[in-house]
Amino acid sequence: EAGVTQFPSHSVIEKGQTVTLRCDPISGHDNLYWYRRVMGKEIKFLLHFVKESKQDESGMPNNRFLAERTGGTYSTLKVQPAELEDSGVYFCASSLIGTSGRNEQFFGPGTRLTVL
Amino acid sequence: AQSVTQLGSHVSVSEGALVLLRCNYSSSVPPYLFWYVQYPNQGLQLLLKYTSAATLVKGINDFEAEFKKSETSFHLTKPSAHMSDAAEYFCAVSATGGGNKLTFGTGTQLKVEL
Repeated sequence: EAGVTQFPSHSVIEKGQTVTLRCDPISGHDNLYWYRRVMGKEIKFLLHFVKESKQDESGMPNNRFLAERTGGTYSTLKVQPAELEDSGVYFCASSLIGTSGRNEQFFGPGTRLTVL
Repeated sequence: AQSVTQLGSHVSVSEGALVLLRCNYSSSVPPYLFWYVQYPNQGLQLLLKYTSAATLVKGINDFEAEFKKSETSFHLTKPSAHMSDAAEYFCAVSATGGGNKLTFGTGTQLKVEL
């Protein structure tokens, strides 16, 4: 069974440019999450989808970040325009249906974003 | 609200020695607790989780952790370190019945020396 996949693995862009990150969850997983780790700091929650609906987007830093999950399958996270402080590793995770908090989240390898 | 504190951003042990990685949590509701490991160039992999059943939780690769409510701790241990255990370890908490958001600690890089 394929795990969570993310594309690209690395992205280097200049300040002011736009970048779109993609996440393909494990097939059948209704829950999809985005997290971010800025260098030297903890992994922080960005948002949570249940199917195509945003369940919790309390961690989104600002309106330069836009996440979508059309059709409840893969998800994209767009940063527009990118700023220096957006650099970090963006992780995607997925889990089975349910929001009890006990379900294991399966993580992708992450996208390392560098904004110059 | 939840928070996690991992004491020691870097821990070094000798091969064959005991591994102890510390995690303390804060939660206003009964927590679910997780330990994840990240090997180089890979995603986070679940080692073990506490979901209010047994307080001593056994995970993969001989790791285990004990939930101690009185100490608000969930320390990770392994009796005998192996070179392949070198990785970064993350403790995380989620709230029971409050959605699935994970709150992570800052991570502990484990180095295993010969």
